[in-house]
Amino acid sequence: DTEVTQTPKHLVMGMTNKKSLKCEQHMGHRAMYWYKQKAKKPPELMFVYSYEKLSINESVPSRFSPECPNSSLLNLHLHALQPEDSALYLCASSQDRVGAKNIQYFGAGTRLSVL
Amino acid sequence: GENVEQHPSTLSVQEGDSAVIKCTYSDSASNYFPWYKQELGKRPQLIIDIRSNVGEKKDQRIAVTLNKTAKHFSLHITETQPEDSAVYFCAAPQGEYGNKLVFGAGTILRVKS
Repeated sequence: DTEVTQTPKHLVMGMTNKKSLKCEQHMGHRAMYWYKQKAKKPPELMFVYSYEKLSINESVPSRFSPECPNSSLLNLHLHALQPEDSALYLCASSQDRVGAKNIQYFGAGTRLSVL
Repeated sequence: GENVEQHPSTLSVQEGDSAVIKCTYSDSASNYFPWYKQELGKRPQLIIDIRSNVGEKKDQRIAVTLNKTAKHFSLHITETQPEDSAVYFCAAPQGEYGNKLVFGAGTILRVKS
């Protein structure tokens, strides 16, 4: 099973709302990722968790707050977003570091619209 | 850090023809090169990958070649079909043991029937 599950599939929120995106995998992977993707563009890395610790933050604005409650779950908390934050948010996981030739598997994404 | 360039940005082929997409990378320590296919509205899916100890890998109609000296790798699709139409991304890890995958800009492949 190479399933990475993301909820919700779609989310519409106002600029004053607080919402959370969720990601779950049961493959025993120890690296988990959040990406932002605009139409026909490559996924843009936001955060990387390795062994449940934040290892990479690509200078993401503080209105995005990641959380890794355990080795299977990854959350992305959203607060005071801007319309330009509307995008597809992808979660991914890999057995360990991609530099050690580990395959990265993607979830289906959450389509976020900020009004 | 790693920089990955991908060409062409769009590619139109007739059904049954071959398609080739090329990527170059900058970090000579990179040792793993995946290719992802993303259909409209769907997730990126790994279609093939190659590790630095081999020069070519084939899986049915799809093949990837790697030239470590020149620091480039290519995706080859033979006997293209309409369902091959999608955006294709190449990628390379940043650093030999890094935890970041650097993606190329993507190639929109259209297969005309």
